[in-house]
Amino acid sequence: QKEVEQNSGPLSVPEGAIASLNCTYSDRVSQSFFWYRQYSGKSPELIMSIYSNGDKEDGRFTAQLNKASQYVSLLIRDSQPSDSATYLCAVIVNSGGYNKLIFGAGTRLAVHP
Amino acid sequence: DGGITQSPKYLFRKEGQNVTLSCEQNLNHDAMYWYRQDPGQGLRLIYYSQIVNDFQKGDIAEGYSVSREKKESFPLTVTSAQKNPTAFYLCASQRTNSGYGYTFGSGTRLTVV
Repeated sequence: QKEVEQNSGPLSVPEGAIASLNCTYSDRVSQSFFWYRQYSGKSPELIMSIYSNGDKEDGRFTAQLNKASQYVSLLIRDSQPSDSATYLCAVIVNSGGYNKLIFGAGTRLAVHP
Repeated sequence: DGGITQSPKYLFRKEGQNVTLSCEQNLNHDAMYWYRQDPGQGLRLIYYSQIVNDFQKGDIAEGYSVSREKKESFPLTVTSAQKNPTAFYLCASQRTNSGYGYTFGSGTRLTVV
């Protein structure tokens, strides 16, 4: 089982709709979860972090965390064509006393006008 | 402005040649990381370092080497032992061995010719 799993997509949504991106992780003791956005050929950009169960909202983005189900999601409201990118879910895993950030393979989102 | 600088942006390597990718940060971050990204895939951890003069192997360290002689610098050498080095290489840093998200450099695209 991969440590962080995402549906690779592509997820296609019309402009103005809600895009829902999902992620599951295997390490039950993980406490820190992130969503990065990556445009083609560019480096990842941190858009959301979440540490507690429940929802965290920032503008059009909402991250949701359910530690019991080992599930993290990202909702993008009022999707815009500029949101078209790959979204990477990442989880901090502790290994031998060192923290390291483990990434899923990413979900490609396409927002069409 | 603080940030992470990777150089060069593009690098071409001949078969059997070692090449070194540069990563410098002025964020006063303790931890630094090297990731590799292949087309359509997520990021895989190569090496990481939490403090000067100390580093650990990530999930795909074979064929790579690093050094951490200064807090600001974490160069990655891709050796001739790495049989499939063509990829996008990303350097990242983090404030401490903590649960905070990572900041990424702009990446180096390495191609074997």
